[in-house]
Amino acid sequence: AQKVTQAQTEISVVEKEDVTLDCVYETRDTTYYLFWYKQPPSGELVFLIRRNSFDEQNEISGRYSWNFQKSTSSFNFTITASQVVDSAVYFCALSVGDSSYKLIFGSGTRLLVRP
Amino acid sequence: GAVVSQHPSRVICKSGTSVKIECRSLDFQATTMFWYRQFPKQSLMLMATSNEGSKATYEQGVEKDKFLINHASLTLSTLTVTSAHPEDSSFYICSARWAGAKNTEAFFGQGTRLTVV
Repeated sequence: AQKVTQAQTEISVVEKEDVTLDCVYETRDTTYYLFWYKQPPSGELVFLIRRNSFDEQNEISGRYSWNFQKSTSSFNFTITASQVVDSAVYFCALSVGDSSYKLIFGSGTRLLVRP
Repeated sequence: GAVVSQHPSRVICKSGTSVKIECRSLDFQATTMFWYRQFPKQSLMLMATSNEGSKATYEQGVEKDKFLINHASLTLSTLTVTSAHPEDSSFYICSARWAGAKNTEAFFGQGTRLTVV
């Protein structure tokens, strides 16, 4: 069975602090994809990143960075120098196989960045 | 990036009536679309996989007679909530995958907030 765990329900930080959102996944498949999505109060899902199981390189995109470690089945997301506009719910998701594309979502982490 | 449009964005309906939600891929063809439901402050749960020209595949626990899915073309899938009840009030969001490309993500619509009164 596949599962995504986001143990942090809610995180509150002060603007300019760095914050890391944790994601742990479970799957027996060797081919899978991991995603992060941002959901602002308006509700739409904003795609942030997709990583396949064969690519363990960490990625940086501006203030965002992702740390993929297969050894610990984790795909953590760090926001550097957080801003108030980063306040949202962040979902980690898993898709197994290379043709399914149905996503298994974690429970989400609500991030509040205070001025 | 590819655009998926969902309509309506918000709908309020009376208990017992039916509501249709549309999901359109605007600039690409989608052989497969997915319908998710999100209750307040909860995660997104997959309801069904919609395949163009064939019957939808429903996840366990989702009533196929209550949530009717039609995927009549490569750019449109519809979800009809029949005989809606207040417990069906939720955020419904679709995603669509680009046909003919193996290595792409699915793109999400902006969601539909359904309130049944």
